[in-house]
Formats: sequence, C-alpha cells, structure tokens
Amino acid sequence: EDQVTQSPEALRLQEGESSSLNCSYTVSGLRGLFWYRQDPGKGPEFLFTLYSAGEEKEKERLKATLTKKESFLHITAPKPEDSATYLCAVQAWTTYQKVTFGTGTKLQVIP
Amino acid sequence: GAGVSQSPSNKVTEKGKDVELRCDPISGHTALYWYRQSLGQGLEFLIYFQGNSAPDKSGLPSDRFSAERTGGSVSTLTIQRTQQEDSAVYLCASSSPGQGENGASTDTQYFGPGTRLTVL
Repeated sequence: EDQVTQSPEALRLQEGESSSLNCSYTVSGLRGLFWYRQDPGKGPEFLFTLYSAGEEKEKERLKATLTKKESFLHITAPKPEDSATYLCAVQAWTTYQKVTFGTGTKLQVIP
Repeated sequence: GAGVSQSPSNKVTEKGKDVELRCDPISGHTALYWYRQSLGQGLEFLIYFQGNSAPDKSGLPSDRFSAERTGGSVSTLTIQRTQQEDSAVYLCASSSPGQGENGASTDTQYFGPGTRLTVL
C-alpha cells in the first residue's frame, strides 16, 4: 500500500527565515510525486510534479526536490503570503489514477 | 479559463437525509476524482471516473455512497441516509492524462473549492 508521511505537521517561521518541508513516501513504482498548496476553505492548488530521483523544480520562493525515498519543498526567504498547508501526494504505476496524499504541513510565516 | 466548480459550497443536513453534491470539471478533462477531507486528516480518495465509467470505486466508504458522471462532464456524488461521520469537505478534481514536458506523462489534478457537508 502506498504511503506518504509529511513532517513537520506544523512550522512557524519568521519572514525571511528559509526552511524545508519533508515528504517521505513508499510506493511500488513511482509514476509522479505532487506538491499542492491549500489555503483555508479552498481546494488544493497545484504547485509541482516530480517524476524521477534527482529532479528539481522551482517556482518563485519554492523549490521541490526528489530522491528515491523522499521529497523536500524548500522555501527561501518566505513571506506571510506563503502561509498555507502544503500537501504532498504520490501516484504509482500499478494503481495508476489513484493518488495518495499526506496529511500536510501547516506553514505559518510571521511578519 | 474556468476551473473546477462545485456546488453547493456548504450543505447542512439532518442525519438520515440524502444529499447530492455536484462537480463541474474543467472543460475537456476526461478524468474526474472525488475525495473527502476530514478535519486534521489527509485527502481520502473516494472514486475516479475516466469518461463516464468508474474503473475504481474502491474508496467509497459504504454502500450509502454512490457517484455518477454523465456526458463525460458533470459528476454527482450522492450520500444516502447521511450519518454524522459523513461530515467533511468533499473535493472534486479533474485531469487530462497525456504528455507533459519532456515527454513525461502528466496526470496533474486540478481541484475545485469543495463542498463542506455538515450532518446534524
């Protein structure tokens, strides 16, 4: 069974204080790993898809990286508007369309 | 362009009543998914449609839950005889499986805003 574990559950940063969120996964043949951002009362918003170990993707202050066992979402010099819950999800070749989500990391960036 | 829409945004019902939740996917997206998100929990997969057929119904919690999709577009999730444990946010997502950048397959799911269901 595919599993996704995210840590920490919650993270509080000062504005400008860089950090990383972790997503550890177990999957029988990774087809894709997804990062989403979710604001309160809204649906998840797509950020990145990573397909193979060593791959990296960037968007503004966010950079996602992937190894064979985990993914990191690095946040550089965060701003208060980066406050949200960040969700990681995996999709396996064997289960194809079924995507397994982690419980998320709730990030709060304080001015 | 228009994103995924869901209605109603909020639904309060009494225990034992039936409810219908609606999802309008992004135009042209052939795949549609339903998830449930309870407070403090991750997204729980419920069901997936490819076109009008549902090859994977494994996530439906009980036989009180059913879903259909017509015309390869709109989908309805029906919960019969609602129970208090059904209270959650129900999210719909759609995707268009195909080739992404560098030839990699992409099944990125785009989510709607959700329907918050409260069963009293």
